[in-house]
Amino acid sequence: EDQVTQSPEALRLQEGESSSLNCSYTVSGLRGLFWYRQDPGKGPEFLFTLYSAGEEKEKERLKATLTKKESFLHITAPKPEDSATYLCAVYNAGNNRKLIWGLGTSLAVNP
Amino acid sequence: DTGVSQNPRHKITKRGQNVTFRCDPISEHNRLYWYRQTLGQGPEFLTYFQNEAQLEKSRLLSDRFSAERPKGSFSTLEIQRTEQGDSAMYLCASSPHLSLNTGELFFGEGSRLTVL
Repeated sequence: EDQVTQSPEALRLQEGESSSLNCSYTVSGLRGLFWYRQDPGKGPEFLFTLYSAGEEKEKERLKATLTKKESFLHITAPKPEDSATYLCAVYNAGNNRKLIWGLGTSLAVNP
Repeated sequence: DTGVSQNPRHKITKRGQNVTFRCDPISEHNRLYWYRQTLGQGPEFLTYFQNEAQLEKSRLLSDRFSAERPKGSFSTLEIQRTEQGDSAMYLCASSPHLSLNTGELFFGEGSRLTVL
């Protein structure tokens, strides 16, 4: 069964303390892996798309990487405004109409 | 504002009542999706439209749920005979792409339903 697992469920960091969030997946024929950010009471906001192992994307303090089994979202020197839930989703060849979502990692960055 | 708009933002209703949510997608976006999300969970797919055609509906979705997208513009999601388990955030998303290759969905801010 296609599955997306995110860890940790929650992470608390001090401002400036770099860390990584993990998204592991088991899907057949991965077509894309996506990262979204979600603020409380809001809809998810698209961050990145990764298509193949070895690919990396960056945006400000965030960098997403992809291997054949997992993706990491690296947060460098985070700020309090980076506090949010980060969601991972995948799209595979046999399911071209909807994304398979993880449960998310809730990140809190303390000033 | 040209983003995805959802109304109402909050709805409190009594069990057994019907509720309807509206979504206005970004203009000219072909695809429109409805998701449901509860606290601590990722979005759960409900249904999606390509223009006015409803192409897929989740098998987990009760027949109390119905969605329409007349004329391929705005969409409505109706829940009949609401139950307490229907309490959730209902999210609408749209995309200009004919496939999910880019994964880029534009979400609205959601409609939060509380069933008493």
